[in-house]
Amino acid sequence: GESVGLHLPTLSVQEGDNSIINCAYSNSASDYFIWYKQESGKGPQFIIDIRSNMDKRQGQRVTVLLNKTVKHLSLQIAATQPGDSAVYFCAETGTASKLTFGTGTRLQVTL
Amino acid sequence: EPEVTQTPSHQVTQMGQEVILRCVPISNHLYFYWYRQILGQKVEFLVSFYNNEISEKSEIFDDQFSVERPDGSNFTLKIRSTKLEDSAMYFCASNRLAGRNNEQFFGPGTRLTVL
Repeated sequence: GESVGLHLPTLSVQEGDNSIINCAYSNSASDYFIWYKQESGKGPQFIIDIRSNMDKRQGQRVTVLLNKTVKHLSLQIAATQPGDSAVYFCAETGTASKLTFGTGTRLQVTL
Repeated sequence: EPEVTQTPSHQVTQMGQEVILRCVPISNHLYFYWYRQILGQKVEFLVSFYNNEISEKSEIFDDQFSVERPDGSNFTLKIRSTKLEDSAMYFCASNRLAGRNNEQFFGPGTRLTVL
């Protein structure tokens, strides 16, 4: 499929290393945050979410950290695998149900 | 596992023509959304829909756009007179509970190319 995000920041990691993808948000009223993964030619796929009353949440191989003071969100992927190669978006919701997406980061996993 | 489906996967149209993009949300979901993603850019909200009416729409969603849930399963996005700048991936999404604090499930998208 055709790739999206041709001008996205790119993070290159070696297979087996840990990845950290960062996101800054601007709306201090946001109270729910989601990380999505988007592979080429596909729609966004849910990875993990976190509510504003938490600062850390762990899933399988993934951890999301939320720092409300500086409005910063990060996604940590442990033992990165080739299948993790994709574009990663953070998204937030505030007072409405719509999602506001960040600009995205392309993760490239090298062997 | 239930999923959101969209048709067609790719639509090519001439400028000024009408297009209808179709989505079948997950069956027990109540909230429906359209987003678009211009090549190289981030995903942008267009419109949300609940209880057979628009809940919220963005500035992008002008009078040329409309949405409909004609038969209880399909959710459509119509663009009446397409412009070159409407070329983008269009994603449908749905969720079961109220939009906040609840994951939205996305379809695979329709690539719209306006010539």
